[in-house]
Amino acid sequence: EVQLVESGGDLVQPGGSLRLSCAASGFTFSTYWMSWVRQAPGKGLEWVANIKHDGTQKYYMDSVKGRFTISRDNAKNSLFLQMNSLRAEDTAVYYCATSTNHATSSWGQGTLVTVSS
Amino acid sequence: QSALTQPASVSGSPGQSITLSCTGTSSDVGSYNLVSWYQQYPGKAPKLMIYEVSKRPSGVSNRFSGSKSGNTASLTISGLQAEDEADYYCCSYAGTHYVFGTGTEVTVL
Repeated sequence: EVQLVESGGDLVQPGGSLRLSCAASGFTFSTYWMSWVRQAPGKGLEWVANIKHDGTQKYYMDSVKGRFTISRDNAKNSLFLQMNSLRAEDTAVYYCATSTNHATSSWGQGTLVTVSS
Repeated sequence: QSALTQPASVSGSPGQSITLSCTGTSSDVGSYNLVSWYQQYPGKAPKLMIYEVSKRPSGVSNRFSGSKSGNTASLTISGLQAEDEADYYCCSYAGTHYVFGTGTEVTVL
């Protein structure tokens, strides 16, 4: 059974940094594209970034380019999202998800990031 | 990277069929047969219901079907049931990124 467990969400001040982690199990992590998707409180889903199975390709939504970095450690079955220069509008639940056939097929339960002074 | 347009709400009676629309542009929905649909209950993670416009993952009821015409994709729920009451989001590949829809709240009357 695919299991994705996010961690690292917290309350952070504007301009601050945070690193999210996602521990994967139940599937061959190193063969999957992986994504981060977020959802602001009471709002819709928003694709944030994805990374190829070997880490050689990474893509981002425009508003996080240059501030967020997606990475992975296939030896540790882990996905990461380094978030710098955080803004109030980055406040959201961040989901880790597998990507297959250009769809997010399995999702974690999410971790809450709150950017506020 | 503008969100795809979905109606805010759609309702139907048990047993009826409803269709949710998802309108994009020639840069996303119109260019790729890579539209997916997600069901989300309050406080829960989304669940993939349809991928590549019309394919159902294993375990998803065949009451859910997808289609696309031009820049608009559609999700049809037939034989509406109380458990179908949830939020639904479409998503399309757009070249180097993905764009989600604004979401539709489905109410079963």
